[in-house]
Amino acid sequence: SAVISQKPSRDICQRGTSLTIQCQVDSQVTMMFWYRQQPGQSLTLIATANQGSEATYESGFVIDKFPISRPNLTFSTLTVSNLSPEDSSIYLCSVSTGTGDYEQYFGPGTRLTVT
Amino acid sequence: AQSVTQLDSQVPVFEEAPVELRCNYSSSVSVYLFWYVQYPNQGLQLLLKYLSGSTLVKGINGFEAEFNKSQTSFHLRKPSVHISDTAEYFCAVRGHNAGNMLTFGGGTRLMVKP
Repeated sequence: SAVISQKPSRDICQRGTSLTIQCQVDSQVTMMFWYRQQPGQSLTLIATANQGSEATYESGFVIDKFPISRPNLTFSTLTVSNLSPEDSSIYLCSVSTGTGDYEQYFGPGTRLTVT
Repeated sequence: AQSVTQLDSQVPVFEEAPVELRCNYSSSVSVYLFWYVQYPNQGLQLLLKYLSGSTLVKGINGFEAEFNKSQTSFHLRKPSVHISDTAEYFCAVRGHNAGNMLTFGGGTRLMVKP
């Protein structure tokens, strides 16, 4: 299993600014994922972040808007840039341990409100 | 590619009554299936998963689900719900292909009333 923490847990940001979300895992993992959950909606994958390579973005998400860092096997950041009210969502970090259980573990999420 | 449909966006039920949350999927490859629960203001927690073997899988908190390959379904059931089961429930699939990610359904809000 994996225990994931995220910082901040919530934030209120002004339009046009940026927010960087940190994700810390208690064990080394190969695959880390970032999801967005818009109000009342399901989860949408933003990108996959593997250590040592550039993140792979899903359709509709671009690096300029959602830059991701993955400096080591236990940590990643997601930045949401040039914020607009439409970016108000919960952002969740997730990991796959790759040990054959095929499970993804999720962090508690970061609730972002853009005013 | 995979897709997941959760047929009910909301399910109201009285405490101690049975409940079934429906999930159907579509995939061109064999899949692994999961149910996650999200309590208010929290992240996702795994309830149960089907990888292979017995099609009836039991999870935490008294939940169980049955994989039906012919109907491409993975419905979640509990014989008697509690107020504390009020939450959002997500069905998810992952293809057997290496590197495939989870694809989530739209979610079902279970509302348990006293």
